Amino acid sequence: QKEVEQDPGPLSVPEGAIVSLNCTYSNSAFQYFMWYRQYSRKGPELLMYTYSSGNKEDGRFTAQVDKSSKYISLFIRDSQPSDSATYLCAMSAKIYNQGGKLIFGQGTELSVKP
Amino acid sequence: DTEVTQTPKHLVMGMTNKKSLKCEQHMGHRAMYWYKQKAKKPPELMFVYSYEKLSINESVPSRFSPECPNSSLLNLHLHALQPEDSALYLCASSQGLATHNEQFFGPGTRLTVL
Repeated sequence: QKEVEQDPGPLSVPEGAIVSLNCTYSNSAFQYFMWYRQYSRKGPELLMYTYSSGNKEDGRFTAQVDKSSKYISLFIRDSQPSDSATYLCAMSAKIYNQGGKLIFGQGTELSVKP
Repeated sequence: DTEVTQTPKHLVMGMTNKKSLKCEQHMGHRAMYWYKQKAKKPPELMFVYSYEKLSINESVPSRFSPECPNSSLLNLHLHALQPEDSALYLCASSQGLATHNEQFFGPGTRLTVL
């Protein structure tokens, strides 16, 4: 079983839809949770960063972390064609003594149709 | 300036060639990373440098040799690569190695080994 599970999609939605992207994880030591957006043939761009449980909102994006369920989500409101990309969840834990080690999900490919 | 730059953007090399990938950041970050990413897969950590010292080597073959000449620069020296090493090579940086430090990625170098 992978430490982080993410449905690879592809996910196709019409413009203006609310998109829900999710990851589940098995390691209860994870404390820091990130969402990266990666356009085709580009590097990942950090979208959202949250610590422990709770919600964080930035414009059209909302990140949720439920540590009791080991489940994180990214919501995109009023989705646009420019949101079409692969979305990667990533997380980290202090058990990696040297720090800095992100564990990534497989990435979900999202397509927003005009 | 929140940018990580990488050169070259594309590189084609034969299995007997020696080449180098370069990464630069001017955010004052003290941790720098090399990742390898194959198509439709998440980034895989290769090396981590902290304060110009190698902190993590994820059992990467010796044909990949990292170097951190100073806190702003990170190189990856390539020698006798195999076709299966063809991938997008990503550099990232963070303030430090603490798990709460967000990692910022460069655009990547797309490497093709013939």
